[in-house]
Amino acid sequence: ETGVTQTPRHLVMGMTNKKSLKCEQHLGHNAMYWYKQSAKKPLELMFVYNFKEQTENNSVPSRFSPECPNSSHLFLHLHTLQPEDSALYLCASSQNMGGNTEAFFGQGTRLTVV
Amino acid sequence: SQQGEEDPQALSIQEGENATMNCSYKTSINNLQWYRQNSGRGLVHLILIRSNEREKHSGRLRVTLDTSKKSSSLLITASRAADTASYFCATPSSAGGTSYGKLTFGQGTILTVHP
Repeated sequence: ETGVTQTPRHLVMGMTNKKSLKCEQHLGHNAMYWYKQSAKKPLELMFVYNFKEQTENNSVPSRFSPECPNSSHLFLHLHTLQPEDSALYLCASSQNMGGNTEAFFGQGTRLTVV
Repeated sequence: SQQGEEDPQALSIQEGENATMNCSYKTSINNLQWYRQNSGRGLVHLILIRSNEREKHSGRLRVTLDTSKKSSSLLITASRAADTASYFCATPSSAGGTSYGKLTFGQGTILTVHP
């Protein structure tokens, strides 16, 4: 248990569906992240939020839309996804964004787009 | 571009043996981190070594850092079947602006420990 909780753990959605991934941390961390992990590829950083403000959008298609209502919660809204978007989506948090402390990861959401 | 690159890509050993994984990186860093990931699950932080440290221990883990060679190694001693997982090194970006501090991960080493 890392203190970062992601729901759902598994999600199957059609290309025309709209769904949301949720991430929650109660570690008092100020920075939260979304990563995408595809088979045989390194973790890809998608979005970074620092004190609820988005500081990074790593050229992510607009069909992925993040939301950070407060420093403990992070969402990833999904709509009109493609099969190649199937992957493990990982949420992480860290005390700050400086990279001087470790990141705590959730268990991930395994997304399958059909 | 990828910052950390692990080597080997896969490692298969018997229980009780030691496992050594290497990581190389390209730019200057102020720390390097190692993570472990069990199949299909989240990453778990193992150890952080700062740029002014050469070696660090945590239980059966030993990490070394050679900033002159831009490389690090993770040694797991007396391995157990439960150590079977993927191991990643990660480095925070020292670039300025919004890239500062972002962790970049390598592709990882898949370790299999046979009972």
